[in-house]
Amino acid sequence: DAGVTQSPTHLIKTRGQHVTLRCSPISGHKSVSWYQQVLGQGPQFIFQYYEKEERGRGNFPDRFSARQFPNYSSELNVNALLLGDSALYLCASSLTGGPNYGYTFGSGTRLTVV
Amino acid sequence: GENVEQHPSTLSVQEGDSAVIKCTYSDSASNYFPWYKQELGKGPQLIIDIRSNVGEKKDQRIAVTLNKTAKHFSLHITETQPEDSAVYFCANGGGGNKLTFGTGTQLKVEL
Repeated sequence: DAGVTQSPTHLIKTRGQHVTLRCSPISGHKSVSWYQQVLGQGPQFIFQYYEKEERGRGNFPDRFSARQFPNYSSELNVNALLLGDSALYLCASSLTGGPNYGYTFGSGTRLTVV
Repeated sequence: GENVEQHPSTLSVQEGDSAVIKCTYSDSASNYFPWYKQELGKGPQLIIDIRSNVGEKKDQRIAVTLNKTAKHFSLHITETQPEDSAVYFCANGGGGNKLTFGTGTQLKVEL
């Protein structure tokens, strides 16, 4: 069985640009959550989607947005990129709407903003 | 607000020794306490978790203890092996839609 798939694995963007990151959850999982992991720190919650609806949002500016598609895959969009947006962006898949029954993380997308 | 403190930030042990990582949390509503292992270039992997109605849980060489009164929980790894070298994160959840992570512990198991 395929695990959580994230694409791209790495990318470099310029300040002010826009980026779209993609995630495919484990087959049968209906919830996708996004986390930002800055180098040397623990992951920080950005969004949770369950059954295509936003169920939670972390303390991130409106430049960050996301959506979930009918096949439960998800996109994270970041507008007007800042240097501080450089991080590893992780997608977590879970069967139900919350993390309390175990997340499975993807390997992440390493975003560098220059 | 919610906060999870994790200590130590780095830990070096000899192969075969035990390793202990400790976390404290502030959110009284927390009821789920997972531990993740993250290897270089990979996402975090769940290694063990415990819920608030249990004080201790063990899975082979790994054990977790929880003290809800004191708001702290710990990861214990016995008989450490070189492949245990990684960054370990504690986290907690309050039944909602997110986990709050600690700052991580870089564990190095030396031969």
